[in-house]
Amino acid sequence: KNEVEQSPQNLTAQEGEFITINCSYSVGISALHWLQQHPGGGIVSLFMLSSGKKKHGRLIATINIQEKHSSLHITASHPRDSAVYICAVRFRFGNEKLTFGTGTRLTIIP
Amino acid sequence: NAGVTQTPKFRILKIGQSMTLQCAQDMNHNYMYWYRQDPGMGLKLIYYSVGAGITDKGEVPNGYNVSRSTTEDFPLRLELAAPSQTSVYFCASSYSTGEYNYGYTFGSGTRLTVV
Repeated sequence: KNEVEQSPQNLTAQEGEFITINCSYSVGISALHWLQQHPGGGIVSLFMLSSGKKKHGRLIATINIQEKHSSLHITASHPRDSAVYICAVRFRFGNEKLTFGTGTRLTIIP
Repeated sequence: NAGVTQTPKFRILKIGQSMTLQCAQDMNHNYMYWYRQDPGMGLKLIYYSVGAGITDKGEVPNGYNVSRSTTEDFPLRLELAAPSQTSVYFCASSYSTGEYNYGYTFGSGTRLTVV
């Protein structure tokens, strides 16, 4: 079964802390996406990756294809980073459809 | 560019009523999708389309219908609304050549309550 699991489900941290959110998946993928959703808001794509590492500002996404695992890191976290972070994968034989994790709710306290 | 535009943003329906959620994209994306998001659950695919005139069922299609008469528009029709359809609905689009997908763009969502 094609599955995506995220951890933790909820994460509360102090401003300035280094944040890590994890995502694991069950079978081979074509690509993995990290998405951000602010409360009551739409969904914004942060990263799409199929290997290695990508960085955008204070956000870093890594993927280990052999271990079927990806991490999203936030350096120097800020209250405006508070949001739900969603991992989604396009499985290799899943056409163009995404399978989503249940999300990680991140709260950064000033 | 507007990206993916969804309307309405909020709607309250009575049981048994019908409505259409509108979705339009201006990026010439070939793929379009409808997802629903329920509390504590990952987004679930309702229907998707690989191009104008072609649609297919996702994981949770019951109670919904779609059409794709143009590349730009992908409306979602709810017939005989039920409380189980209370959810947040997201439309998304992507461009794929078959060998490579260039990423997904999501709309801002429609929060639907059926009472």
